[in-house]
Amino acid sequence: NAGVTQTPKFQVLKTGQSMTLQCAQDMNHNSMYWYRQDPGMGLRLIYYSASEGTTDKGEVPNGYNVSRLNKREFSLRLESAAPSQTSVYFCASSEFPGTDTQYFGPGTRLTVL
Amino acid sequence: AQSVTQPDIHITVSEGASLELRCNYSYGATPYLFWYVQSPGQGLQLLLKYFSGDTLVQGIKGFEAEFKRSQSSFNLRKPSVHWSDAAEYFCAVGAMDTDKLIFGTGTRLQVFP
Repeated sequence: NAGVTQTPKFQVLKTGQSMTLQCAQDMNHNSMYWYRQDPGMGLRLIYYSASEGTTDKGEVPNGYNVSRLNKREFSLRLESAAPSQTSVYFCASSEFPGTDTQYFGPGTRLTVL
Repeated sequence: AQSVTQPDIHITVSEGASLELRCNYSYGATPYLFWYVQSPGQGLQLLLKYFSGDTLVQGIKGFEAEFKRSQSSFNLRKPSVHWSDAAEYFCAVGAMDTDKLIFGTGTRLQVFP
């Protein structure tokens, strides 16, 4: 039982490049989330999927897109990376949205030069 | 709108001393409250949560938190801190009528021997 897994663990991009961050959970959870963490700013929600087949914007969605590929997988895409997107990205999942414990992956450290 | 405030950005304590980390929330409905811990380079791990019932909840690693509705607070406590408790701590709030958790900006705990 791996919980929430994220790939890659580290990534360096040049401005304008694109990439997709992958997230998968094996807990049969309905809801999945993407956060970014920056020093002094805590966790900020980028996008979330309350249930399979739905996605919604969070607090900081600009410059990102998401796909809920199936119940297990939720990917985050940067179409044209900018230095302001240098951050640590966390994926999380929960059985139900809003009230349930969220389980976090180990994170992806992204640097955009 | 929901909000969570962690007034202390950084706290330093001596090993063996007691600890209290503050969390204040703002939400009209019945809150679902969480404390998470993040060790350096890791994802977030749930320490404890409060949904209803006894307002003093016990968590892992010897932590406890007390829900005080009149003060809109959910402070985290530990009677005797260990060096391994050095980490960042996040308070979060959710509710039945929302799809997401709102996280505070975190409190970084430093422990001196």
